[in-house]
Amino acid sequence: GQNIDQPTEMTATEGAIVQINCTYQTSGFNGLFWYQQHAGEAPTFLSYNVLDGLEEKGRFSSFLSRSKGYSYLLLKELQMKDSASYLCAGVDSNYQLIWGAGTKLIIKP
Amino acid sequence: IAGITQAPTSQILAAGRRMTLRCTQDMRHNAMYWYRQDLGLGLRLIHYSNTAGTTGKGEVPDGYSVSRANTDDFPLTLASAVPSQTSVYFCASSELAGGPATGELFFGEGSRLTVL
Repeated sequence: GQNIDQPTEMTATEGAIVQINCTYQTSGFNGLFWYQQHAGEAPTFLSYNVLDGLEEKGRFSSFLSRSKGYSYLLLKELQMKDSASYLCAGVDSNYQLIWGAGTKLIIKP
Repeated sequence: IAGITQAPTSQILAAGRRMTLRCTQDMRHNAMYWYRQDLGLGLRLIHYSNTAGTTGKGEVPDGYSVSRANTDDFPLTLASAVPSQTSVYFCASSELAGGPATGELFFGEGSRLTVL
């Protein structure tokens, strides 16, 4: 079956760095998305990786290893507004999205 | 501000009642989608539409129907609501018509539905 695994909840300190991991098992693979979702709000797009490696976008970076079926989202210089859920979604061979349940990130002062 | 508008924001509904969730986009995107989001589960696709006049079934279509009479509107109807349909419903759109994975998804703010 197809599956996306990510931790349910993580806690980090303001100003620090946090890495949110995502492992995937999909029938075929055509990339991986990360979305951010603040409580009670809509998910918003953060990144899309299809090739191995790290892609940096300001304080946020996303990494993909196709051989390991693994991705992570790296958040630097954490701010209180980064408290949100982070959703990982893999793209299967039919270009369908397989969503993880999300990782709730709690930032403490 | 361009984007997706959903209505209602929140609704409590008696089981067996009919309910339509409205979704309108002003970005002229080809594809539109309805997802439900439940605690502890990933987003699940209910129905989708790649272009006006066409619709398709997603992962969890039973008990729901959709229509796409024009580019902008994509209503979701629950013909006879049941408690298991209690959820937060998100409408989304994407510019490309190849499916939700062909590009960035733009989401509405969600409709929280409680079926008693």
